[in-house]
This record gives sequence, C-alpha cells and structure tokens, in this order.
Amino acid sequence: GENVEQHPSTLSVQEGDSAVIKCTYSDSASNYFPWYKQELGKGPQLIIDIRSNVGEKKDQRIAVTLNKTAKHFSLHITETQPEDSAVYFCAASKGQAGTALIFGKGTTLSVSS
Amino acid sequence: DVKVTQSSRYLVKRTGEKVFLECVQDMDHENMFWYRQDPGLGLRLIYFSYDVKMKEKGDIPEGYSVSREKKERFSLILESASTNQTSMYLCASSSTGFGSYEQYFGPGTRLTVT
Repeated sequence: GENVEQHPSTLSVQEGDSAVIKCTYSDSASNYFPWYKQELGKGPQLIIDIRSNVGEKKDQRIAVTLNKTAKHFSLHITETQPEDSAVYFCAASKGQAGTALIFGKGTTLSVSS
Repeated sequence: DVKVTQSSRYLVKRTGEKVFLECVQDMDHENMFWYRQDPGLGLRLIYFSYDVKMKEKGDIPEGYSVSREKKERFSLILESASTNQTSMYLCASSSTGFGSYEQYFGPGTRLTVT
C-alpha cells in the first residue's frame, strides 16, 4: 500500500543552526505534501505545504522542497529557535489533493539554547 | 478562529465496553477524519467521511466504526474496547473548497483501556 517514510526520527540542534527533515513517498498519484508541527498536548498544525507543480516554497525561516521524479520532499528550518522544538510530521495525499493523507512517523526536533 | 473540539481529553474504559469518541467542528467543513497516534508509528487513518452519512475506511479500520449524522459531528465507536486500542485519538476536518486542503486537528483524546 501507499507509504511515507520520514527521517530522522529524532534531531537535536543548537539554537541558530539549520534543521532538515526528509520524506519519501510511494504513491505516484500524490500531488499534495503538507508538513505539520505538533507541540506537547496539542493536535498537529499545518506549517507549510507544497503542490506537485511547484519545486520549492518558502515562508520566512521555513522552506519545503519537492522532487517528484525521486518522490522526495524535505523540510528546512533555518535559524532554529527553542520554540521550534516539537514533533514534525510530513504527509502525502492519497492520490489527488483534497482526499485523505498518509503521514510519516514523525521527527522529534529539539533545539537547545 | 477555526475550531475542532473533542468530547474528552482523557478517557479510561474497561475491556469489552462500548466507547464513543465525539468530534465537532464549527467550520462547515465537508471532510472529517479520525486518526490514531502511537509513539513511533505516527498518525494512522482509521476512518474518514466526505459528507453526512458517508464514510470510507482508512488504513486501520478493524475494531472501529463511525457515524456522521450531522455535518459538524463525527463519532468514532469502539464496539468492544480492547487493551490494544489504548492510544491517542485525533479528529480532523477539512474543506473541499478549491485550493484549501488543510486539515484542522482537535486536541486529541487519550484513551486508556484496562
């Protein structure tokens, strides 16, 4: 079945460093790739997303890149801050966007000051 | 401000009990989803619904059923709770509006089955 692999499972960085989380997906029909951030005691919240007709998207310190040929997409956080510490999930649409999502297993990011 | 609420933050039930988890959204969203979150396994889709009285199985539907009698409410039912259903349950909703695919999540219900 469809699958999304996410790496690494844990990531520790110093404040100000960059953090990169990588995902691969298996469904060629997937065309929507969101990233969610989950803080302790809360539900996941969308932080950035990308559609298959775009290779890169940036929003302040956060950027996402997509390589459809290789079925890879990545989250890049620059100038990390302690409040970036959370669990991050990548996801891919099951087929066309607007339907259900398949989530990766999550990356726990710790930013130490 | 968009809002998805879940009936309980914490729930403790006994093996064999019938359990109802309720989710309500106030955004007039067409789509609603139930996920289960376990350490190291991420979010796994149990069931979802595109419209009132419609439902689709997700990746792990066994042991669960759902009900959507009203657009704003989506219920997850554990017919006979078992200890392996101890988990965090997350509800989400999304619109089918063009260009808007974001899923909005509730805070979760931590269910313990003893």
